[in-house]
Amino acid sequence: QQQVKQSPQSLIVQKGGISIINCAYENTAFDYFPWYQQFPGKGPALLIAIRPDVSEKKEGRFTISFNKSAKQFSLHIMDSQPGDSATYFCAASKPGGGNKLTFGTGTQLKVEL
Amino acid sequence: KAGVTQTPRYLIKTRGQQVTLSCSPISGHRSVSWYQQTPGQGLQFLFEYFSETQRNKGNFPGRFSGRQFSNSRSEMNVSTLELGDSALYLCASSLEGRQETQYFGPGTRLLVL
Repeated sequence: QQQVKQSPQSLIVQKGGISIINCAYENTAFDYFPWYQQFPGKGPALLIAIRPDVSEKKEGRFTISFNKSAKQFSLHIMDSQPGDSATYFCAASKPGGGNKLTFGTGTQLKVEL
Repeated sequence: KAGVTQTPRYLIKTRGQQVTLSCSPISGHRSVSWYQQTPGQGLQFLFEYFSETQRNKGNFPGRFSGRQFSNSRSEMNVSTLELGDSALYLCASSLEGRQETQYFGPGTRLLVL
């Protein structure tokens, strides 16, 4: 059972454009929603995270939008740069689950010049 | 501050063998989680250890096991290796109760022939 669905699988964006990656979850018990960035040969790195008590969180060029009623959240990368080219994973965890994360399937982002 | 370290970085084994992977968490982090990453299944949670006790376990067969030592270092063991065990094995450490402090190591790339 895939509890976190992520789309698109791959994305090509022009430099300076906006990259948007979407995730939907099924388990309403989830209360922590992070986004991770992974470069080839590296482990995932936490980019930004949100909890359901807010609808949006912004850190620099990265914004998470959260829709609790639709059980969806998305990552927006403003002014996308070639250095943002990486694989992005959304994830979710629930109370009592310790640090266990349920990941989406990943989105390969390529930012072209 | 040193990050999460994993050894070895690369490993080649044959079917039927067993393997032990090691993870040293960030200093002060007592929670260690393990994930398997494959192109087909993505990132899947294996187990989590805290204070030398396993407190979460994913849906993997009993061939996958782990342990944590008093210094928070962790090992995972896979016995009777199968071709499908070829993957990147990632370790993540975090402070207790602070999911936003979860940092991943670079992983161990295991190839089973």
